[in-house]
Amino acid sequence: EVQLVESGGGLVQPGGSLRLSCAASGFSFSNYWMHWVRQAPGKGLMWVAHIHSDGVTTSHADSVRGRFTISRDNAKNTLYVQMNSLRAEDTAVYYCVREEESFDLWGQGTLVTVSS
Amino acid sequence: QAGLTQPPSVSKGLRQTATLTCTGNSNNVGNQGATWLQQHQGHPPRLLSYRNNNRPSGISERLSASRSGSTSSLTITGLQPEDEADYYCSAWDSSLTAWVFGGGTKLTVL
Repeated sequence: EVQLVESGGGLVQPGGSLRLSCAASGFSFSNYWMHWVRQAPGKGLMWVAHIHSDGVTTSHADSVRGRFTISRDNAKNTLYVQMNSLRAEDTAVYYCVREEESFDLWGQGTLVTVSS
Repeated sequence: QAGLTQPPSVSKGLRQTATLTCTGNSNNVGNQGATWLQQHQGHPPRLLSYRNNNRPSGISERLSASRSGSTSSLTITGLQPEDEADYYCSAWDSSLTAWVFGGGTKLTVL
């Protein structure tokens, strides 16, 4: 089955760190750009970061640049995002997304809550 | 990062036609067109259309997208109860070198 499964979310204090993972299966993970997109409770979608299939080229949204780092391990078919210096406004469901022409495959998401 | 502009809500009757709009600029929608996503409450988004009117397999022919200048439109004909959802547009912004999203439109089928 073609799917993306996120993990690693949870409750973290402001200033803390968290690493999210996304396990891909059922397709050739190493051939695709991959993204993280988040959605704050009751709010719209916000692009967080993307990474080229080769794992070298990356880009991050202004609001997370310098705090979040996207990466991937093609041998493990896994996408990551390391999140440091977390703030209350980072509270959201984080989705792992595959890009083929556009955002064609989404995971179920993992909830990150930043609160003391 | 500046986003795309969508009306917050649209309401239409059963079996009517709804047209949702998404306005950007020449660096995003006006350049490579828009992607449209549908999201039902409690579920992840689903891709409906990309680069204006390319539909993934399995997406109903009742849905079609188009572009005029820097505005993309998603038209849904013969509205059904299951069309009630939030709809988001997105586009790559070549100036910001970032993907931008609209704020979403909540479609209500009366």
